[in-house]
Amino acid sequence: KAGVTQTPRYLIKTRGQQVTLSCSPISGHRSVSWYQQTPGQGLQFLFEYFSETQRNKGNFPGRFSGRQFSNSRSEMNVSTLELGDSALYLCASSWAPGTSGSEQFFGPGTRLTVL
Amino acid sequence: GENVEQHPSTLSVQEGDSAVIKCTYSDSASNYFPWYKQELGKGPQLIIDIRSNVGEKKDQRIAVTLNKTAKHFSLHITETQPEDSAVYFCAASSSSGGSYIPTFGRGTSLIVHP
Repeated sequence: KAGVTQTPRYLIKTRGQQVTLSCSPISGHRSVSWYQQTPGQGLQFLFEYFSETQRNKGNFPGRFSGRQFSNSRSEMNVSTLELGDSALYLCASSWAPGTSGSEQFFGPGTRLTVL
Repeated sequence: GENVEQHPSTLSVQEGDSAVIKCTYSDSASNYFPWYKQELGKGPQLIIDIRSNVGEKKDQRIAVTLNKTAKHFSLHITETQPEDSAVYFCAASSSSGGSYIPTFGRGTSLIVHP
């Protein structure tokens, strides 16, 4: 069974640009969550999608957005990039929404560098 | 909101020793406490979890204990091996109101010396 895949693995952008990251969950998983990981702030929850609907959102500005498609694949978008957006962006999938505390499987992440 | 503190930030042990990592949380509504292991270049991997209706859970060399009254939970690794070297994260989350927003500790870098 293939794991969670994220593309691209590495990305370099400049301030002011926008970026779209992609996540393909494990087959059969319908819940996808996104996290930002930085040395300064640690691992922080961005948002969770289940059946194409955003269920929860962390404390991030509106520049961070996401969506989920009917095949459960998800994308997240960051507009007007800032230097502080440089981070490892992780995607995690589970078969059910996180309310049940079902195990989340993480992808390898996308390393975003903003210059 | 929830606040999770994790200690120590770095833990160095000899192969075969035990390792203990401790976390405290602030929100009494939190009821799900997973532990993750993250190796270099990889995403976190769930290694064990515990729910608030259980005080202790064990899986081979790994165990987790939970004290809801004191709002703290701990990860215990016995007979450590070099392959246990990684960063370990604790998390706490509440399912009240149908929401699940995990809050993570800052991580513990475990180094197991052969």
